[in-house]
Amino acid sequence: SQQGEEDPQALSIQEGENATMNCSYKTSINNLQWYRQNSGRGLVHLILIRSNEREKHSGRLRVTLDTSKKSSSLLITASRAADTASYFCATGAGGGNKLTFGTGTQLKVEL
Amino acid sequence: KAGVTQTPRYLIKTRGQQVTLSCSPISGHRSVSWYQQTPGQGLQFLFEYFSETQRNKGNFPGRFSGRQFSNSRSEMNVSTLELGDSALYLCASSLVGDGYTFGSGTRLTVV
Repeated sequence: SQQGEEDPQALSIQEGENATMNCSYKTSINNLQWYRQNSGRGLVHLILIRSNEREKHSGRLRVTLDTSKKSSSLLITASRAADTASYFCATGAGGGNKLTFGTGTQLKVEL
Repeated sequence: KAGVTQTPRYLIKTRGQQVTLSCSPISGHRSVSWYQQTPGQGLQFLFEYFSETQRNKGNFPGRFSGRQFSNSRSEMNVSTLELGDSALYLCASSLVGDGYTFGSGTRLTVV
């Protein structure tokens, strides 16, 4: 079963604009990760934020985590057409490396 | 460095048959996990192996099984295939506490 929901389910923006995706989850976590998937292929790891961190940056990506609200957001700045993909949040909890994925946001960046 | 390799890429099987999928992780990664992705259920965790031991298991029937070899390569097996087993099966490897690297997946179609 899914850990939580992502919103919006779909997002369409113009190249150069910023894209923000939100993720909510249900249980306590060790970390939260964001992945990108192009056209039903394998997922690409974007960024990992640990439960004791509040914000993290990687290139054009900015992730925030609010454990009190059990939510996270992914901001992609200055979007490019190549950013068009599905984006998933995934939470890690307990022992081992099991991840529970959200429902995903389909991002379309138009020229 | 070489990525996660999954074979075969595509597979068509008949109901009632069994199938074995293979995954070679990144060298040095001892944790290997399997996920099933379908349009209806999204990404769902199947199982995780670490040093040849199953460390976590998802909520799938016993028809789904896996194993890991001493070189960290992993296989998953699905017996008595059902139409609902049609999905993209993704393998991922990681260092403990780190993000996953996913393979390109095996697309299984059951007819």
